[in-house]
Amino acid sequence: EPEVTQTPSHQVTQMGQEVILRCVPISNHLYFYWYRQILGQKVEFLVSFYNNEISEKSEIFDDQFSVERPDGSNFTLKIRSTKLEDSAMYFCASNGGLGDTQYFGPGTRLTVL
Amino acid sequence: AQKVTQAQTEISVVEKEDVTLDCVYETRDTTYYLFWYKQPPSGELVFLIRRNSFDEQNEISGRYSWNFQKSTSSFNFTITASQVVDSAVYFCALRTLNNNDMRFGAGTRLTVKP
Repeated sequence: EPEVTQTPSHQVTQMGQEVILRCVPISNHLYFYWYRQILGQKVEFLVSFYNNEISEKSEIFDDQFSVERPDGSNFTLKIRSTKLEDSAMYFCASNGGLGDTQYFGPGTRLTVL
Repeated sequence: AQKVTQAQTEISVVEKEDVTLDCVYETRDTTYYLFWYKQPPSGELVFLIRRNSFDEQNEISGRYSWNFQKSTSSFNFTITASQVVDSAVYFCALRTLNNNDMRFGAGTRLTVKP
């Protein structure tokens, strides 16, 4: 069964460093998302991406964040200058069409020291 | 505005007990989708069920059942004869036709003791 994959599973970085989190959505899906879950809290929407551009973003998704689909398979989230409060689990998700179920990847745990 | 409320922060039951997880949602949209996801201790989000706003039929899948009631804006989840492997955090989520982002509730941590 096709699934969303994410790498790395765990990333440790120093405050102020740039990180890139990688996702490979399900191959025939058209809509891609990033969500964040701070430890012990709920899952929060960051951004959605469709047709090679951002379709929606939350107030969390400020100028230090960016997303890209550099080729036909990868979908990346870049955090330009990490802060301590960026420590969280980051989930990628994808779905085939509007209203379809979103399927989540296993997550990348980001730890900012 | 969309909002999902899971009032139960934590529930603890003994194996074989039935347990119901509550979910109340708010939206002004007439077309929307409701979801339940399970997050086991390993951390991934596992899709359990999706319900469309125009389909109020309740659903049963093995030991799991869902009760969707538009009149009370609720989408409750019942586990029958709970097992230790059901221990996880369960999230209810809402998405509308006009917004592709999912709004999650705060989650309910279910602990099933042997």
